[in-house]
Amino acid sequence: DAGITQSPRHKVTETGTPVTLRCHQTENHRYMYWYRQDPGHGLRLIHYSYGVKDTDKGEVSDGYSVSRSKTEDFLLTLESATSSQTSVYFCAIRAGQNQPQHFGDGTRLSIL
Amino acid sequence: GENVEQHPSTLSVQEGDSAVIKCTYSDSASNYFPWYKQELGKRPQLIIDIRSNVGEKKDQRIAVTLNKTAKHFSLHITETQPEDSAVYFCALTGGSYIPTFGRGTSLIVHP
Repeated sequence: DAGITQSPRHKVTETGTPVTLRCHQTENHRYMYWYRQDPGHGLRLIHYSYGVKDTDKGEVSDGYSVSRSKTEDFLLTLESATSSQTSVYFCAIRAGQNQPQHFGDGTRLSIL
Repeated sequence: GENVEQHPSTLSVQEGDSAVIKCTYSDSASNYFPWYKQELGKRPQLIIDIRSNVGEKKDQRIAVTLNKTAKHFSLHITETQPEDSAVYFCALTGGSYIPTFGRGTSLIVHP
């Protein structure tokens, strides 16, 4: 399996608090992605990165920000969490444009 | 941008039957077509993929076919087993950094 680790694996927090999720890879892959997965919606792209300090928005980016200061780490931040952001979050990495994505084990985030 | 429609959304079969899931797309620049399997509570995992210069690819009980003219590709699972029960996602990429995913098919294999 590809070396990709998400932390934390589970988190419960309150509305209005900041939350940061971390994705760490040991594969030196260029592309990294953050998705959220909710029942009935499949995988929806939040943000992605195509290199260090190179990031862009996905289809559901409102309320989220990202940073990638080094190749191996891609951070997802909820500046002020809302209940609608309760979800399972997956990080994925990819070596090249016509290569498969490899997913982390996910973070289950509950916002009360 | 790329768009992909996946059907059916739910597929129920008896053990030993075949299952077919189909995805259609609109962007002729799409040239890489992976399929992912996601078991309950787990991460999506690649099970098979195909590139646009190939029409069919097989791996044991799993096969993928691609029709670039008609812009569709399909996942075929033969001799289904209960452990094949999962959600299956098709995806595709073309010239952008962003893979496009289908909405998923929940496959249920009854013993």
